[in-house]
Amino acid sequence: NAGVTQTPKFRILKIGQSMTLQCTQDMNHNYMYWYRQDPGMGLKLIYYSVGAGITDKGEVPNGYNVSRSTTEDFPLRLELAAPSQTSVYFCASRIQGATAGELFFGEGSRLTVL
Amino acid sequence: GENVEQHPSTLSVQEGDSAVIKCTYSDSASNYFPWYKQELGKGPQLIIDIRSNVGEKKDQRIAVTLNKTAKHFSLHITETQPEDSAVYFCAASTPRNQGGKLIFGQGTELSVKP
Repeated sequence: NAGVTQTPKFRILKIGQSMTLQCTQDMNHNYMYWYRQDPGMGLKLIYYSVGAGITDKGEVPNGYNVSRSTTEDFPLRLELAAPSQTSVYFCASRIQGATAGELFFGEGSRLTVL
Repeated sequence: GENVEQHPSTLSVQEGDSAVIKCTYSDSASNYFPWYKQELGKGPQLIIDIRSNVGEKKDQRIAVTLNKTAKHFSLHITETQPEDSAVYFCAASTPRNQGGKLIFGQGTELSVKP
């Protein structure tokens, strides 16, 4: 009964370092999303994928990259981390045909860039 | 593009009172409006949604109303309980053939005092 699993839950990076946030889901959902959540700003869409091999930019893609080689996994890559990328990151998924809002979210990954 | 404004940012009520959270949207093409509850340390969870062809929807103590003319929608929680304390997010989505992405409001932190 795992749902959407994100790792790591917490991470501190130095400016200029790179890292990958992992996201995996076991519900066979076609659609997967990465959001960032900043205080008082709601959730902003970074990237999304409608299936393996297909990815597209959201509202705030700069500084990030994604890949979708399998249905289950949707990692988010941060290259050259900057303080502006300090945030809580949420991965979400939904099944094709469900309404746009029927998202299953992971528990989040809190990233601090110093 | 779509812009969603949510008010208030914080709301404190006594147990048993009602709570109302309001959102406005800018894109008249938006046709789907979900609400999410986010408990501390968790990802958001869909609690209720409404489509633009409906003016009101209820689910036990929770109701959502939509005014398409004024482009605003509201979440109503009656007989509040301490377990209703959380951050609530509204969102709006345009039809799939016009992008179909969710745009979130800034969030409301609801505190229900026993």
